[in-house]
Amino acid sequence: AQSVTQLDSQVPVFEEAPVELRCNYSSSVSVYLFWYVQYPNQGLQLLLKYLSGSTLVESINGFEAEFNKSQTSFHLRKPSVHISDTAEYFCAVTLSGGGSNYKLTFGKGTLLTVNP
Amino acid sequence: NAGVTQTPKFQVLKTGQSMTLQCAQDMNHEYMSWYRQDPGMGLRLIHYSVGAGITDQGEVPNGYNVSRSTTEDFPLRLLSAAPSQTSVYFCASRTGTGANYGYTFGSGTRLTVV
Repeated sequence: AQSVTQLDSQVPVFEEAPVELRCNYSSSVSVYLFWYVQYPNQGLQLLLKYLSGSTLVESINGFEAEFNKSQTSFHLRKPSVHISDTAEYFCAVTLSGGGSNYKLTFGKGTLLTVNP
Repeated sequence: NAGVTQTPKFQVLKTGQSMTLQCAQDMNHEYMSWYRQDPGMGLRLIHYSVGAGITDQGEVPNGYNVSRSTTEDFPLRLLSAAPSQTSVYFCASRTGTGANYGYTFGSGTRLTVV
């Protein structure tokens, strides 16, 4: 079975600073990877995903993540954060291929706090 | 197109009471699932279904029942609520086709068991 490790439970940064949220996964077969964002007292929103093709994927609000198969990582980065990026971020993994019983497994989350 | 709809949004139960959390989707997705979210634990899979009439257990199924009589609905039942079931519950459905592969989540149900 697959698993996900988010290496930092909390990441405090100052506004306009760069940030990296780390995610490592474990799986013996190919995977699909996702980053979700949860703003305070809200549901989960998909930020970006890797299914295949280019290993660098981008979101519409300036985040990007790079799939590194050799290091089994999918770190999330943003070159300059805003106060509004304060949220909890979840990395998730499922087996590739879209099998009917494939499950989505989440990491424990990283709370990003952007300070003025 | 409403996506995934969960009701109620908030609920307070007394220990031992039963209740059903509702989840409905209008996207004709075969796969649906229930997660619970607890501080510092991320989201953990409770039960999932790959189609009408087919359900299976996830990581933390104890204390919960599910059924899937239609493609649209996937209710989660708490038979005898316990304080350990205080959590935020999310329902999700999945589209499994090509570049659109992904999961759609409901807005959640915040459950408190006293």
